[in-house]
Amino acid sequence: GQNIDQPTEMTATEGAIVQINCTYQTSGFNGLFWYQQHAGEAPTFLSYNVLDGLEEKGRFSSFLSRSKGYSYLLLKELQMKDSASYLCAVYMDSNYQLIWGAGTKLIIKP
Amino acid sequence: DSGVTQTPKHLITATGQRVTLRCSPRSGDLSVYWYQQSLDQGLQFLIQYYNGEERAKGNILERFSAQQFPDLHSELNLSSLELGDSALYFCASSEQGGDIQYFGAGTRLSVL
Repeated sequence: GQNIDQPTEMTATEGAIVQINCTYQTSGFNGLFWYQQHAGEAPTFLSYNVLDGLEEKGRFSSFLSRSKGYSYLLLKELQMKDSASYLCAVYMDSNYQLIWGAGTKLIIKP
Repeated sequence: DSGVTQTPKHLITATGQRVTLRCSPRSGDLSVYWYQQSLDQGLQFLIQYYNGEERAKGNILERFSAQQFPDLHSELNLSSLELGDSALYFCASSEQGGDIQYFGAGTRLSVL
């Protein structure tokens, strides 16, 4: 079966750094997405990793290790507006499916 | 604004009824996806269409059906509604399939 694991909830302090992990066991792999979703709103795209390594985009970075079935999203200089759920999703070209994790709810405290 | 339009924004109906949710993808996108998200739950993939044809199916109930029309807009039909069908229904679109999905603002369905 297909499985994606993320922590259910994390808490961090404004101005700090937080790392949200995602591990996956899927029958195929073509890429890994991270999306941000504020409560009651639509998910918005953050990053897409196909190859191993770190991709940096402003305050957000995403890392992928395909051999370990592991990714993380790194958020720096946390702001209150970063309070949201962060969704990890694996794309499999074989069946055109995007397998979604349940999401990590990130709570930022002043 | 993602460029994906969903209507209506809110829908309140009774058990046993049938509703239709509509989605217009971003200009040029060929793939449309439908998702269900119940309160405080993750995204549940329902179905994907690519250029008018069904491409992938997720956990879609038999009471639910969808189609994509020649102009690429899509409709999700929900019938014999139950209380448990109350949820946010998102539509997303992408250029092909497997690339970045852009989500509409969602339709909030309340079944009373």
